[in-house]
Amino acid sequence: EDQVTQSPEALRLQEGESSSLNCSYTVSGLRGLFWYRQDPGKGPEFLFTLYSAGEEKEKERLKATLTKKESFLHITAPKPEDSATYLCAVHVDTGRRALTFGSGTRLQVQP
Amino acid sequence: DTAVSQTPKYLVTQMGNDKSIKCEQNLGHDTMYWYKQDSKKFLKIMFSYNNKELIINETVPNRFSPKSPDKAHLNLHINSLELGDSAVYFCASSQGSTQFFGPGTRLTVL
Repeated sequence: EDQVTQSPEALRLQEGESSSLNCSYTVSGLRGLFWYRQDPGKGPEFLFTLYSAGEEKEKERLKATLTKKESFLHITAPKPEDSATYLCAVHVDTGRRALTFGSGTRLQVQP
Repeated sequence: DTAVSQTPKYLVTQMGNDKSIKCEQNLGHDTMYWYKQDSKKFLKIMFSYNNKELIINETVPNRFSPKSPDKAHLNLHINSLELGDSAVYFCASSQGSTQFFGPGTRLTVL
């Protein structure tokens, strides 16, 4: 069964304190790995798609990387507005288009 | 604004009632989805429609019935609501593999 595990469950950072969130996956036939941001009371907001090991994507203070077993979301010099739950999801090659999500990392950035 | 929209935002109802949640996307996507997010924040796929045709039907009670009148709409009807149906329901759409989500409908069954 496809599994996606995110760690840590929660992370508290001081403003400017860089860190990384981890998403490890056990799937067969990875078609894509996705990162989403979810604010309280809102729907997941798309951030990145990674398709193959070694690929990297950047957006402002966020950088996502992918290996054959895990993905990292690096947050450089975070600001309080980066506080949210970050969700990782995988799309596997089963003919389905559904995403399998991890449980997320709740990030809190304190000023 | 181009987006995925859902109505209502909040839905509070009694056990045993029947309710519907509506979803519309104006992104021109050909595939739409319903996901359920439980209290532990896990998002799980319920249904997927591609060009109005059902392609995914997970292990969901048959009290849940999706209906797609056209490519831009995917509604979710729930019969005989139970306490365990309380959750946040998200609609999403995609053209390729990247899915875009609606704002969610928080369903509370009393």
